[in-house]
Amino acid sequence: GAVVSQHPSWVICKSGTSVKIECRSLDFQATTMFWYRQFPKQSLMLMATSNEGSKATYEQGVEKDKFLINHASLTLSTLTVTSAHPEDSSFYICSASTGKEKLFFGSGTQLSVL
Amino acid sequence: QKEVEQNSGPLSVPEGAIASLNCTYSDRGSQSFFWYRQYSGKSPELIMFIYSNGDKEDGRFTAQLNKASQYVSLLIRDSQPSDSATYLCAVKSVEKLVFGKGTKLTVNP
Repeated sequence: GAVVSQHPSWVICKSGTSVKIECRSLDFQATTMFWYRQFPKQSLMLMATSNEGSKATYEQGVEKDKFLINHASLTLSTLTVTSAHPEDSSFYICSASTGKEKLFFGSGTQLSVL
Repeated sequence: QKEVEQNSGPLSVPEGAIASLNCTYSDRGSQSFFWYRQYSGKSPELIMFIYSNGDKEDGRFTAQLNKASQYVSLLIRDSQPSDSATYLCAVKSVEKLVFGKGTKLTVNP
């Protein structure tokens, strides 16, 4: 299957700092990438959908100025959590689509904000 | 609000038994249905997908879809301890994948 690389796997940061998470499709071109957030024992919640070269589409309730998404190429999307606060601590997962039905997930990033 | 509902469990079955996982969804227009397995601290991995009413079998796994009842299930035959994980049902609605909260399965040796 297709491989999606996500890093870092985990990050600890101080409140008020910004954190960037990268998501790369290694062996295919991803027309669309999705960013999810998962709190403990909760489901994956879609945060935003990004298409290469265009602005991301954010889900209701997700602050676009806080969660900056850049989909610069067909193989790279980044999520920047700006001015992170403890409530932003969560497991962030990216996924990529080739345009067909299947989604391929990255390995996830555990963010802990102190 | 498009919703996907699953029993959170935990569901415990003995090794070798059949594990049955259920899921209902609210969007009658949904066309694609997926089952993912997620181990603790890891990202989901796709087990099966199904589009048409009826059963779809892949090894020890069988997905069942009933669009009239808006119901999809996953059967795991000959359950193994390594099957212990959280199983997420996902439904594709308008190009978005909506996940249920997952059912935690424990297979006891």
